[in-house]
Amino acid sequence: GAGVSQSPSNKVTEKGKDVELRCDPISGHTALYWYRQSLGQGLEFLIYFQGNSAPDKSGLPSDRFSAERTGGSVSTLTIQRTQQEDSAVYLCASSLAADFSYEQYFGPGTRLTVT
Amino acid sequence: DAKTTQPNSMESNEEEPVHLPCNHSTISGTDYIHWYRQLPSQGPEYVIHGLTSNVNNRMASLAIAEDRKSSTLILHRATLRDAAVYYCILNGGSQGNLIFGKGTKLSVKP
Repeated sequence: GAGVSQSPSNKVTEKGKDVELRCDPISGHTALYWYRQSLGQGLEFLIYFQGNSAPDKSGLPSDRFSAERTGGSVSTLTIQRTQQEDSAVYLCASSLAADFSYEQYFGPGTRLTVT
Repeated sequence: DAKTTQPNSMESNEEEPVHLPCNHSTISGTDYIHWYRQLPSQGPEYVIHGLTSNVNNRMASLAIAEDRKSSTLILHRATLRDAAVYYCILNGGSQGNLIFGKGTKLSVKP
């Protein structure tokens, strides 16, 4: 079946511009996660959704970052007034439920470059 | 969060078995042991997970020590495609998120 998809695959933007990154989870998966991976760094958790709600947004690196999920499916991560330090690969994952007995399936990521 | 310790890197020859170790001496009774891998320029990929008993799937086997303080991911016949960073993860954060460490970089020689 279809896996997690993300778009765009690559995004180059100028410093100060806003960007939107999209994630389409696996159908039926209620939990959705956003992570990011900077060059040579580990994977950093950003935010998670159970259904349409994000119980805790404290993992977002700054108030320029926001995320929403509509209809319990597609999620959008928005970065306002992008900075060079926002350059990274942004990864989305989904799972049947937010429970560690279930595995997470990752998308291919969106590579964001802020110039 | 319970921590894991993995070697930074390992080498294997193609078509030979690979045993990737993970120490997790502070594991709690409810912690699942997860393994993910990340191939170059790709997102992480689920490999296997278990709680107490050894687990097998089409990709690998997971051997869990009786005291659960360590585990070993076993790739039965390494291929060039198995060259990746392998992450051993114990549950994760309070929001169900995975907490990735540095993992073990596996190189496979032809």
